[in-house]
Amino acid sequence: SQQGEEDPQALSIQEGENATMNCSYKTSINNLQWYRQNSGRGLVHLILIRSNEREKHSGRLRVTLDTSKKSSSLLITASRAADTASYFCATAPGGTALIFGKGTTLSVSS
Amino acid sequence: DGGITQSPKYLFRKEGQNVTLSCEQNLNHDAMYWYRQDPGQGLRLIYYSQIVNDFQKGDIAEGYSVSREKKESFPLTVTSAQKNPTAFYLCASQRGDTGNEKLFFGSGTQLSVL
Repeated sequence: SQQGEEDPQALSIQEGENATMNCSYKTSINNLQWYRQNSGRGLVHLILIRSNEREKHSGRLRVTLDTSKKSSSLLITASRAADTASYFCATAPGGTALIFGKGTTLSVSS
Repeated sequence: DGGITQSPKYLFRKEGQNVTLSCEQNLNHDAMYWYRQDPGQGLRLIYYSQIVNDFQKGDIAEGYSVSREKKESFPLTVTSAQKNPTAFYLCASQRGDTGNEKLFFGSGTQLSVL
């Protein structure tokens, strides 16, 4: 069962531009999490936003959550080549195991 | 140096063979998870354990088995019943027993069929 779904599947931008990726989910949640994966590596946690929060910042990352639309967005400002990776959203329907979407592959060229 | 360790990094399975993937954590986390990732795909949940001596099936448990005899260890066995085992396997741990905590991931094991 795929709870979250990211959009777009792939995104190519130039260094310095902003990157926005979206996540839609199906059931009610307590929180939504974003992770990053470099090719062939494990995932790294980026940010967690709770259902009573609308926006959260961490460095160059900005995450929004709209529970009425069951959607979230991740904005990376002033992208760098090192931001090239896949980005996943994850939620825990029923409050147990985290379920991940298929991810957005971001490519940042210099 | 705290973290979660998966071994081996690469593993090859012969037809009809069972293979076991190791996952160890020294973070004193209660919960541990196994996910499967196919090329260009997201993560699919195989099994998870929220406490020692207890585990639950995920979405794609058929052909896999696990044990949780120690808090630090959560090995995954890919049995001969799993007909398409080639994938990247990721183990993760979590401090709490709910989905409200972040996951810490290992570096993965790439399993291929000979």
